[in-house]
Amino acid sequence: DAGVIQSPRHEVTEMGQEVTLRCKPISGHNSLFWYRQTMMRGLELLIYFNNNVPIDDSGMPEDRFSAKMPNASFSTLKIQPSEPRDSAVYFCASSRDRAYEQYFGPGTRLTVT
Amino acid sequence: GENVEQHPSTLSVQEGDSAVIKCTYSDSASNYFPWYKQELGKGPQLIIDIRSNVGEKKDQRIAVTLNKTAKHFSLHITETQPEDSAVYFCAASKGNQFYFGTGTSLTVIP
Repeated sequence: DAGVIQSPRHEVTEMGQEVTLRCKPISGHNSLFWYRQTMMRGLELLIYFNNNVPIDDSGMPEDRFSAKMPNASFSTLKIQPSEPRDSAVYFCASSRDRAYEQYFGPGTRLTVT
Repeated sequence: GENVEQHPSTLSVQEGDSAVIKCTYSDSASNYFPWYKQELGKGPQLIIDIRSNVGEKKDQRIAVTLNKTAKHFSLHITETQPEDSAVYFCAASKGNQFYFGTGTSLTVIP
């Protein structure tokens, strides 16, 4: 079985540009989570979806961040406009249900210059 | 909200020795405690987990113990091997959201 798929794996962009990160969860999983990992703050939950519906977006740092899940097999995390402090590794994870094991993708390393 | 503390932040052991990583949590309602291993350049990988109705769980060289009264849980790795070198994260959850510890960088010295 394919695990969680994320693209791109690396993204380098200039401040002010729009960035879109993509995630394909494991087939059959109905919960999807977006995390951000930095040295300073560790792993932080940004937002999670259950059955394609955003349940909790309290971790989204600012209005510059938005996430969508148009169907069960695809989600995007968009940053517009991007800033250098957004540089981090962004992970997507999925689970069979809210209370079950979460499986992480390989991450997208974002660098904003 | 939940607060998860993890210790130590770094740990070095000789190959073949045991390694123990400890976590405490604050919310007594937390009922699920996974452990993740993260290798350089990769996403966290679930290695073992325990639910609050169980005190101990073992999977080959890895074991996790949970003390609900004291609100702490630990990861035990026996007969460590160089490939066990990685960053390990604990987490606590009561269903919807995982709260992660700050990670332990484990180095197994051959």
